[in-house]
Parts: sequence; C-alpha cells; structure tokens
Amino acid sequence: DQQVKQNSPSLSVQEGRISILNCDYTNSMFDYFLWYKKYPAEGPTFLISISSIKDKNEDGRFTVFLNKSAKHLSLHIVPSQPGDSAVYFCAAYAGNNRKLIWGLGTSLAVNP
Amino acid sequence: DADVTQTPRNRITKTGKRIMLECSQTKGHDRMYWYRQDPGLGLRLIYYSFDVKDINKGEISDGYSVSRQAQAKFSLSLESAIPNQTALYFCATSELTGQGVDEQFFGPGTRLTVL
Repeated sequence: DQQVKQNSPSLSVQEGRISILNCDYTNSMFDYFLWYKKYPAEGPTFLISISSIKDKNEDGRFTVFLNKSAKHLSLHIVPSQPGDSAVYFCAAYAGNNRKLIWGLGTSLAVNP
Repeated sequence: DADVTQTPRNRITKTGKRIMLECSQTKGHDRMYWYRQDPGLGLRLIYYSFDVKDINKGEISDGYSVSRQAQAKFSLSLESAIPNQTALYFCATSELTGQGVDEQFFGPGTRLTVL
C-alpha cells in the first residue's frame, strides 16, 4: 500500500517554463516532507523540504506547496532548465522512528 | 572526496553466492541506511542503524543481513543471492536535527546483478 504517491511517472516541459511535480499522501501522521532529485548513476540528493506546520517553502527556483486538507504537495521549478532533468522523489516522515517513506518518483525532462 | 562511498559500484554474481556490499562515510553521522531501488518501485528500506549498537529491519529485510562495524561503516550481505535481488542498492547516512528531522545523504549506488 503506497502511502506516498507520485501519480505521474514522467513529465516533459520546455526550458524556461514552469515544472510542477505532484505528490499525494494517505497518512495524516506525516509531519515533514522532502523532495529529492536523482540523476542517472548517482544517489538521490536532497532538494527542499517542508514542515506540516507550513504551507509553502521557497529556495531559489524551487518552491514546495503543502495542502494538508487535500493531503497533497507539489514542487514548482521556475524557470525550468535542462539541468533539472532528473527523477524527483517525494518522501515523508511519520512517527517516532522517523523513517522516510518514499514515493515512486517522477522523471522530469526539460527540453531546450 | 565523496562523503558516502559504496563498494563495489557494479557486481555480477551467480545464484547462491554470498555477496557483501560495503558503505563508508566521512560525515560523522550516527545513522546509516541501506535501500534498494527497482524500476517502478522507488526506494525501499532494507535495514537501518541509528548507532553502532542499533540495527533495525526495514520493510524488505528478508534475504539480507547487515553489520555496523563502526560509526563510519555499514555493510550489507546477501547470504545466498537470488535473481530477484538484482537491483540498485543505495547506502545513506543522516543526523537528527533539533527539529526531529534528518536529511539523508546518499552514496552513488551499487548495481548488483544476480544471474
């Protein structure tokens, strides 16, 4: 049973446009959310995070929005660049053991 | 130098063989993790260790064992490899912050093929 869902396996956008990656979750106990980026032949790297007490967190071109009532978060990349082409994973923390629960990832392709 | 290193980077082995994957970190973190990634299944936690004397099973620990030899070293063993253990394996480390959150830092991965 997938508690963190990334329903779009892939996304293609034009350079300079906005990329929006979506993530839904089912566990209302999740209290912290993270986005990781992964290039081929490399391990995932941390991108941006958000606490459940906030609804927005911004870091340069990357913004994460959290809608707790809808159990939905999204990652916005503006403007998108070819170097952003990667797989993006959504992950969430819950509980005292603080283990990360991962989504399946969305492969983003930014076309020049 | 990389903060989290994994050896080997690629390995091809045969069914029934014993395999050890090694992970070392220079970040000084107490927490270490082993994940596997399969196409369409994302990252799944195999084992994790919050300090040298602490070992915990993840969601898919069957067929695997681990050893935390030191704070900096965490190895994953497949006692008798089988083909469905063919996957990309990642080691990660983390340190708990005051906010109760630990950002995980990943190694480059080991691609294991079991024939």
